[in-house]
Amino acid sequence: GAGVSQSPSNKVTEKGKDVELRCDPISGHTALYWYRQSLGQGLEFLIYFQGNSAPDKSGLPSDRFSAERTGGSVSTLTIQRTQQEDSAVYLCASSQGSGNTIYFGEGSWLTVV
Amino acid sequence: RKEVEQDPGPFNVPEGATVAFNCTYSNSASQSFFWYRQDCRKEPKLLMSVYSSGNEDGRFTAQLNRASQYISLLIRDSKLSDSATYLCVVNEGNGYNKLIFGAGTRLAVHP
Repeated sequence: GAGVSQSPSNKVTEKGKDVELRCDPISGHTALYWYRQSLGQGLEFLIYFQGNSAPDKSGLPSDRFSAERTGGSVSTLTIQRTQQEDSAVYLCASSQGSGNTIYFGEGSWLTVV
Repeated sequence: RKEVEQDPGPFNVPEGATVAFNCTYSNSASQSFFWYRQDCRKEPKLLMSVYSSGNEDGRFTAQLNRASQYISLLIRDSKLSDSATYLCVVNEGNGYNKLIFGAGTRLAVHP
């Protein structure tokens, strides 16, 4: 069956450019999460969506980061004016309800040069 | 201080060995606890939940001590396929999944 799908799988961008990362959750999953994993580090929580609203966006590292979700399905994470420290894997996850097991996508590997 | 702390390893063990990983967490209000497994350049996958009473899944045994804020994972009879990074995970969300991950402990099982 279809899992969490993320695109692009790899992205190299120049410092200062904006990037958009897309997440397509498992069908029917109402909760969606974005995490970031820097090289050799643990996953860092960024934001949680329930439906189209984001009750917890406490992990977004700066105002250059934003995310939205539409139709209770696809989500986009946008990073404006990228910096080299933004280089990381951005992982999306979804769950059927807000407290159920979460399933991760394979991630979008972002490199800022 | 990190919210979830683990020994980074690596743990290099022969096949058949028993290996134990430990983890401590700082938020005493944490609601639930897990071990995830992450293979190189792959996404994390749930290995097992952790309960205060202790729980076992085949060769894997997990234990939680709420008083000490300590979580453990024991792997018996290690297999080559167990080689991976094991992530200690704490849920700090109130009614939702706000998973806080440790940096992981690397395990390498050799023949």
